Formats: sequence, structure tokens, C-alpha cells
Amino acid sequence: DTAVSQTPKYLVTQMGNDKSIKCEQNLGHDTMYWYKQDSKKFLKIMFSYNNKELIINETVPNRFSPKSPDKAHLNLHINSLELGDSAVYFCASSNNYGYTFGSGTRLTVV
Amino acid sequence: QQPVQSPQAVILREGEDAVINCSSSKALYSVHWYRQKHGEAPVFLMILLKGGEQKGHDKISASFNEKKQQSSLYLTASQLSYSGTYFCGTENQAGTALIFGKGTTLSVSS
Repeated sequence: DTAVSQTPKYLVTQMGNDKSIKCEQNLGHDTMYWYKQDSKKFLKIMFSYNNKELIINETVPNRFSPKSPDKAHLNLHINSLELGDSAVYFCASSNNYGYTFGSGTRLTVV
Repeated sequence: QQPVQSPQAVILREGEDAVINCSSSKALYSVHWYRQKHGEAPVFLMILLKGGEQKGHDKISASFNEKKQQSSLYLTASQLSYSGTYFCGTENQAGTALIFGKGTTLSVSS
């Protein structure tokens, strides 16, 4: 199936821990993104990568770092997790015709 | 600059129509529309690339008024499956990622 897949789907962890979320797309898109969706459903852009180059880096804490080993993958690493990091994180990729989102990772920090 | 969506919520009975508006304080070059069902990822509906453009499939269509810096999504003869949150997205200043509105929640009942 052609898609954007991200793992894990759920992540429950304690404050202070470090965690990673993986994302892969097989659509051949050049650009990939990470969005954060909070409890009010607001979708906020965090990062985007185009051909392994970081294009934008919104004002997110530097505890968050994207890593892209190749055009098809964009992973998100989060250090020293805080309660406020709890949210749903969506990976996406795009071409000129629109965005395709992964199914999301629900992160809960306790 | 985040686009502004209105209304925030719409409640319909099957067969009724709805219009969701999206406006921006800056010039728009394209507008995307997505639908997100509860617990799922946003799904691409359509993209409008130039002023005056109108698009649609099934009974969902959209228009783009470039001069007024706004777009509208039209849902005709709504079905239960139309329920969800609708987001419009416009490009950020650098043109490198979509900035989404806060969403419009549509509830269709039988």
C-alpha cells in the first residue's frame, strides 16, 4: 500500500524520558513534515524536510529534533519530555497536489 | 498567518447543506481543504490553485476568491459520512508548509 506510516501509534512515557517517533513514506514525495495536534485539534507545523534539508524550523523547543536518513524517512526525537508535550503528532508528506498524513502518534507524558 | 475559519461548528440533519468559509489577512496563492474524522488522520479533499477556481467531487465542492483572500467549502445534501472536522490550509510566508485554520466541526445526524 502506498502511504505514510508512523510508529508507534501510542506512546506513554514518564517526564524526563527521551523518545522517538518514526515516519516513512513510499509515495515518492520530496517533502516531509511533522505536525503537532493539541487537545483543541489545532494542527501546528513543527518541521519540514525537503530532500534531507531542513526548510523550516518553527519555534519549537530544541528538545525536539527531526532526523532524516533519506528522502523517504523523517523521524522525530524528543528529549527530556514534559507534560505539555502530550499531544498527537502527525507525520505528512506532500507533492504539488496535496498532503498525505500518517495515522498519528498519541504521546502521553505522565 | 493562520487562516480564519467560520463557523466553528455546524450541526445538520442528513440532506441539509452547509458552507464553511476560510479567509486570510495575507495574499493567498492556493488553498487546501482536509477532513479529519475523530481519532483519524486529516484526509485531503481538494486544492485550489488560482483565483476563480471551483472544484468538487461527489457533493462537496469549493471555490477560491483570490481578490477577497478567501475560500468556501460547500457540502450539499449532507450524509452521515460527512461528519468530522474540516480544515483549510494556506501556505506559510516562505511557501514551504501549510498553516491550518482552527477547524470547523460538522455533525450530521439522521
